[in-house]
Amino acid sequence: GAVVSQHPSWVICKSGTSVKIECRSLDFQATTMFWYRQFPKQSLMLMATSNEGSKATYEQGVEKDKFLINHASLTLSTLTVTSAHPEDSSFYICSAPLTGNTEAFFGQGTRLTVV
Amino acid sequence: AQSVTQLGSHVSVSEGALVLLRCNYSSSVPPYLFWYVQYPNQGLQLLLKYTTGATLVKGINGFEAEFKKSETSFHLTKPSAHMSDAAEYFCAVSGGYQKVTFGTGTKLQVIP
Repeated sequence: GAVVSQHPSWVICKSGTSVKIECRSLDFQATTMFWYRQFPKQSLMLMATSNEGSKATYEQGVEKDKFLINHASLTLSTLTVTSAHPEDSSFYICSAPLTGNTEAFFGQGTRLTVV
Repeated sequence: AQSVTQLGSHVSVSEGALVLLRCNYSSSVPPYLFWYVQYPNQGLQLLLKYTTGATLVKGINGFEAEFKKSETSFHLTKPSAHMSDAAEYFCAVSGGYQKVTFGTGTKLQVIP
């Protein structure tokens, strides 16, 4: 099956710093990738849709200037949490759909802790 | 527009007992339906999915789910719970564009 790799799997950063999370489709090309966020004891919520070669589409309530998304190639999307604060601590997970497949494949997720 | 409702945020069953996790959905287009499992501090693993065709879908680890259009339901079952089934389970719906809407999750506890 298709493999999506996310890195890092966990990160701790200081308040005010920026953190970059990478999402790679290892054995297929993905013109679209999705970024989700899961707060403790809550469900996964779609944050944004990453589009290769164009601007990301953000869901309502998600600050695009805070969560910078770059989809510079057909196999890589990055999410940068800028000026992170403790309330940004969450589990971030990406997914990438495989053309012709009804399923989007998920990365293993990144647990971000801001201290 | 689409949404998912999972009834019961916590479900406890005895080892060997039937597992039933409930999921109802709404979708303005024919839905694709999924069940995912998440173990602590891990990502999502697809258990099973329904797209078209047979309404009873079998997945991994002995789980199955039945798509009932008239009831807008997609309940997950397993005849006999195992300790290793303890995890959080998410029902999800997609309108076919692979942008997935998740339910709030059901945490399954298996009692020895």
